[in-house]
Amino acid sequence: EEQLVESGGGLVQPGGSLRLSCAASGFTFSDHLMDWVRQAPGKGLEWVGRSRTKSNSYSTEYAASVKGRFTVSRDESKNLLYLQMNSLKTEDTAVYYCGSGRPGAGPLGHWGQGTLVTVSA
Amino acid sequence: DIQMTQSPSSLSASVGDRITITCRASQAIGNSLAWFQQKPGKAPKSLIDAASRLQSGVPSKFSGSGSGTDFTLTISSLQPEDFATYYCHQYKSYPFTFGGGTKVEIK
Repeated sequence: EEQLVESGGGLVQPGGSLRLSCAASGFTFSDHLMDWVRQAPGKGLEWVGRSRTKSNSYSTEYAASVKGRFTVSRDESKNLLYLQMNSLKTEDTAVYYCGSGRPGAGPLGHWGQGTLVTVSA
Repeated sequence: DIQMTQSPSSLSASVGDRITITCRASQAIGNSLAWFQQKPGKAPKSLIDAASRLQSGVPSKFSGSGSGTDFTLTISSLQPEDFATYYCHQYKSYPFTFGGGTKVEIK
């Protein structure tokens, strides 16, 4: 069964850094598109960034609101997806979800349970 | 960026009702549209991709249609477990974007 489990959330001060992890199991990690999506408290969904497949060199894309501050990467050997978040702002406070998309299908077919990031002094 | 406008933002309906949610894209996206359901405190769940393709395990009471700029999600007979917030999502071009959501409440 395909499963995604996020970890690494917590409280961080403005300007600080945090790295989120998403542990993937039950599917071929290297051939699935992987996305990060966030949801601020009481708000809607916001796409954050993407890691393409191994055949596309795990290349990445980002939302304008995080470009230059956040980095999406993978460790294929550990089936882990990462979101490195630097220069955090209060407006980055949100639940962060990872999601996977299988070959030939749309994105975000499966989601993790989410991890809460709070940016506050 | 492609803006996704959902309507209505909320609706009240009764068990057994048929409801339709609309999503409009600010530019043509072909059929690169997905629909998600989210219940309070839970992760979103994928319902439909490619505008009309039902995800495995999703009941056939859910259906999607449309292409280009105008899309709809229909639930044919609302059940208690369907009361949730629904989001559309375009994945035609970066940055990907979501609609603002439609909260479906019990009348």
